[in-house]
Amino acid sequence: QVQLVQSGAEVKTPGASVKVSCKASGYTFTSYGISWVRQAPGQGLEWMGWISAYNGNTNYAQKLQGRVTMTTDTSTGTAYMELRSLRSDDTAVYYCARDNKLAPGSAFDYWGQGALVTVSS
Amino acid sequence: QLVLTQSPSASASLGASVKLTCTLSSGHSSYTIAWHQQQPEKGPRFLMNLNSDGSHSKGDGIPDRFSGSSSGAERYLTISSLQSEDEADYYCQTWGTGIRVFGGGTKLTVL
Repeated sequence: QVQLVQSGAEVKTPGASVKVSCKASGYTFTSYGISWVRQAPGQGLEWMGWISAYNGNTNYAQKLQGRVTMTTDTSTGTAYMELRSLRSDDTAVYYCARDNKLAPGSAFDYWGQGALVTVSS
Repeated sequence: QLVLTQSPSASASLGASVKLTCTLSSGHSSYTIAWHQQQPEKGPRFLMNLNSDGSHSKGDGIPDRFSGSSSGAERYLTISSLQSEDEADYYCQTWGTGIRVFGGGTKLTVL
């Protein structure tokens, strides 16, 4: 069965960086992409960006351009999301979700369990 | 601009039916959307893909009580025979080249 298993919770200080992983299993990793979505406490879902595990192409949400980098390791079937220059309003649960391997995208048909990132001094 | 609009809240009685609405912005009425459910303190779960003609394909293990339909720019999620575990937030999602969009979510209360 398809599974996306994410790394654990992190606590970071303002200005630091965080890197969250998402290990895929149960399907051919390079036949899909991965989108990253975050949810601040009590808020809705916010799309952060997408990476194709097929060719490495990326699209990032405009508000995060310059602070976020998404990568994949096809040898292990793992996707990574790094967010830099963390601020308190980056405190959120970060989810990975399976997406299309090519533009323009698709429904997110499987989700990871989420990883809480807390930014606090 | 691609935008999805949802009512913030809805309520219905145990055993009844409820229809949630997601409205696509002007010029995007042909877009396919997805519905996702997020139960309290849990991550989102994919419910279904919903096309402009009302055809839909559901995710793994999604009960028959969940169905989708479309009319113009509106996409609907109908839940019949409401159960207590259906109390959740429901999000619609769509996509375009270089962008993915979520609606603001509808909080469903089962009375």
